[in-house]
Amino acid sequence: EAQVTQNPRYLITVTGKKLTVTCSQNMNHEYMSWYRQDPGLGLRQIYYSMNVEVTDKGDVPEGYKVSRKEKRNFPLILESPSPNQTSLYFCASSPNPVRHEQYFGPGTRLTVT
Amino acid sequence: DAKTTQPNSMESNEEEPVHLPCNHSTISGTDYIHWYRQLPSQGPEYVIHGLTSNVNNRMASLAIAEDRKSSTLILHRATLRDAAVYYCILREKGNTPLVFGKGTRLSVIA
Repeated sequence: EAQVTQNPRYLITVTGKKLTVTCSQNMNHEYMSWYRQDPGLGLRQIYYSMNVEVTDKGDVPEGYKVSRKEKRNFPLILESPSPNQTSLYFCASSPNPVRHEQYFGPGTRLTVT
Repeated sequence: DAKTTQPNSMESNEEEPVHLPCNHSTISGTDYIHWYRQLPSQGPEYVIHGLTSNVNNRMASLAIAEDRKSSTLILHRATLRDAAVYYCILREKGNTPLVFGKGTRLSVIA
């Protein structure tokens, strides 16, 4: 089944403890991105990647890192999480940057205390 | 960025058509109109997109005004499974992010 998977789905952690949220797609898509969703603010893009080894900042990149060593994986790294990074995170992929439809993962709910 | 305006919420009876409006009076000539929806506890799901002409696919139809300043997403027969938040998004072709606003929360009544 073609899909975008994220792990973990739920995570509670403490301030400053490094964490990684994994994202993987099995559709051979070139384009991948990360969004966060917060009440009243909608979804905002954090980082995106147009292909392997090519990443760039979205609208709210502060406090996050990403890497794209393989086409299928696009992990989101929080080196020193803070409570303001408590949010619902979505990974998305698309065959290429100019395609209109993006495919979203199920989401990761992160709580930082 | 061009903005979109949608009603906060709408309600529909099951098996009736639903027309979800979107205003985008500042749309540019290169902006595509996209619709996504987000079912409860799920990630957003692509529904449809268009530029100037009306579009149909297996999920919905998109009617675009002649001046492109508004559009309507049409669900031909609403089911309980269509209860979701529907987002109307303008996006230029190319690498620009999807900017999700607050959307319209659609409730479907059995």
